[in-house]
Amino acid sequence: GQNIDQPTEMTATEGAIVQINCTYQTSGFNGLFWYQQHAGEAPTFLSYNVLDGLEEKGRFSSFLSRSKGYSYLLLKELQMKDSASYLCAVFPFGNTPLVFGKGTRLSVIA
Amino acid sequence: ETGVTQSPTHLIKTRGQQVTLRCSSQSGHNTVSWYQQALGQGPQFIFQYYREEENGRGNFPPRFSGLQFPNYSSELNVNALELDDSALYLCASSLAPTGQGMMDAFFGQGTRLTVV
Repeated sequence: GQNIDQPTEMTATEGAIVQINCTYQTSGFNGLFWYQQHAGEAPTFLSYNVLDGLEEKGRFSSFLSRSKGYSYLLLKELQMKDSASYLCAVFPFGNTPLVFGKGTRLSVIA
Repeated sequence: ETGVTQSPTHLIKTRGQQVTLRCSSQSGHNTVSWYQQALGQGPQFIFQYYREEENGRGNFPPRFSGLQFPNYSSELNVNALELDDSALYLCASSLAPTGQGMMDAFFGQGTRLTVV
């Protein structure tokens, strides 16, 4: 099975950089997703890492290390609207799409 | 704004009752996945439908069942509701049941089910 761990809550200051970590224990997977979810809304896709390394997309970057069982989401130039939950999800082999972590609730303060 | 619509948006049911939740899929998508998200938790996979056939199931009892229609919209049915079934139910439509397909997945806004 998969066990995905993320910090429950984080607080960061507007304009700063924050790194949200995700560790997992799994026998193998196709790739790793990051989603953003504002309170009461649907998750929205941020990134999908298949290979090790850094994927950059504007203010958001995601990193994957399969050998270390570790991923992180990096948010730069934080804005108040970035206050949301950030979900790490593994896409395993087989017919069980997207196993999610519990999410990290990020609060951006002035 | 996505083309994935879920109905109803909110629902209150009594323990023991049955409920049907609906999800339209994005145009061109043939795969619908259903997730249960309890408060403060990540979504948990219930099952997935691909071209009208069940294509995988998570760790949910048989009283959770589903359907996918020829237009690829989908229903989630829950029988004999329990208090612990109170959650946000999300559906996601995608081009295919693959990682690449999931990159283009769109989630609906969810149905908030409260069982009392």
